[in-house]
Parts: sequence; structure tokens; C-alpha cells
Amino acid sequence: DIVMTQSPDSLAVSLGERATINCKSSQSVLSSSNNKNYLAWYQQKPGQPPKLLIYWASTRASGVPDRFSGSGSGTDFTLTISSLQAEDVAVYYCQQYYSTPLTFGPGTKVDIK
Amino acid sequence: EVQLVESGGGLVQPGGSLKLSCAASGFTFSGSAMHWVRQASGKGLEWVGRIRSKANNYVTAYAASVKGRFTISRDDSKNTAYLQMNSLKTEDTAVYYCTRPHYNILIGYDEDWFDPWGQGTLVTVSS
Repeated sequence: DIVMTQSPDSLAVSLGERATINCKSSQSVLSSSNNKNYLAWYQQKPGQPPKLLIYWASTRASGVPDRFSGSGSGTDFTLTISSLQAEDVAVYYCQQYYSTPLTFGPGTKVDIK
Repeated sequence: EVQLVESGGGLVQPGGSLKLSCAASGFTFSGSAMHWVRQASGKGLEWVGRIRSKANNYVTAYAASVKGRFTISRDDSKNTAYLQMNSLKTEDTAVYYCTRPHYNILIGYDEDWFDPWGQGTLVTVSS
């Protein structure tokens, strides 16, 4: 199984400042057949289901503000919120879909400082 | 609008059974795989399993933690997916979500990033 880890566990950022979340996979999720990274990011607010933010490591889902961006390749990935807004307070999860069982990172909680 | 609505959760004793349903609308259900993901209170997300479409032979796959106890099925005539849970344990207590992967028409296969998710249904296993 591919184990996903995230860092930090939580972070507090001032409004308008940058938030950076890291995700690491225990093995590469980069496919040699299509040169794509099988990595997605989700946002989950309290009492709500997860919401897709990013897929293929860096493609924003429809309707996701452009302050959210994803980067990285192979085993190391980053989700960046360029200018934190109050509505971005949530837990963020990465997920690999390279192989079954599909696995998620443990989550990173983002709060306002 | 794509919608997924789970139902069937509740309180069940250890060793008991429960069947969850996921009613889908707003997309061609028969052509889509369906997945179940669970989340214990205050914890992270755990993939439970999936069932592929008829075109992909309704192939199922499960997490090791539920394999042999849980069964995913579907009724395309009712646009509904199911999660049959047997031999339930206290550690199965969680909110259970159904969700839909992206279907790549060009390659005729699922890309397992999920959008949207249902609101979830709570399963509590306790005596």
C-alpha cells in the first residue's frame, strides 16, 4: 500500500498570507505511461463532506479559486493557498489514486492566526 | 446537478449487519464507478471500496480492513449503489460517504479522484 504523510499537522496563518501544506507518498505516484502524477487534494470544512480542489497534482477543479495551487512530482507534493481567506479554514487532505487501495494523507488543519 | 444521497445509517450492535444506500442523480449512473469512503469522528478519510460499471464488469475492490465483511453492489435501474456491512466491529463506527470518480471518455477508464461526495450517513457500532 502507498502510505501518504502530510506536514504540518496544523498551521495558523494570518489573513492574506500564504499557507503551504506538504504531502509525501511512500512510493512514486508518477506514471511513466502518461507522465501524470496521480495525486489529488481535498478541502473539508466542519460538518461537510470533502470537496475536490486539485487533481493530477496541479490541475484546479472547476470553480476552485486560483489562490489554490498544487505542485510537485513523484513522491513530494505541495498545496499552496497564496492569500488565505477566512473561508479557507478547513482540513486539507491529499490522496493518491495511483494504485488500490486508494489512500489519503492524515490531513492538515488550517486556521487563522 | 450531480447529487449523491446516502441513507441507511444507524446504531447497530457489534457483530450485526447494516446496508447503506447511495442514490445518484444528475449523471449517467450506469456508466460510472462508485466508491465508498469513511471517516471516524475527528479522524481522517479511509477508502472502503468501489464497484466499477457494467462496461467494466462490475469489478469490486476493498480495503483490507473490510474485505470479507463488506460488499458493494449496485442497481443501475435505480441509480443506486449499496454497501452491505456484516460482522460489524466498533472500529467501523464512522460517517460513510459515497462518491464518484472521474470517468475519462478518451481511455474508457476511471480516474479515481472524487467529485462530488454525498453528505454522508453515520454508522455507530456499539452495544
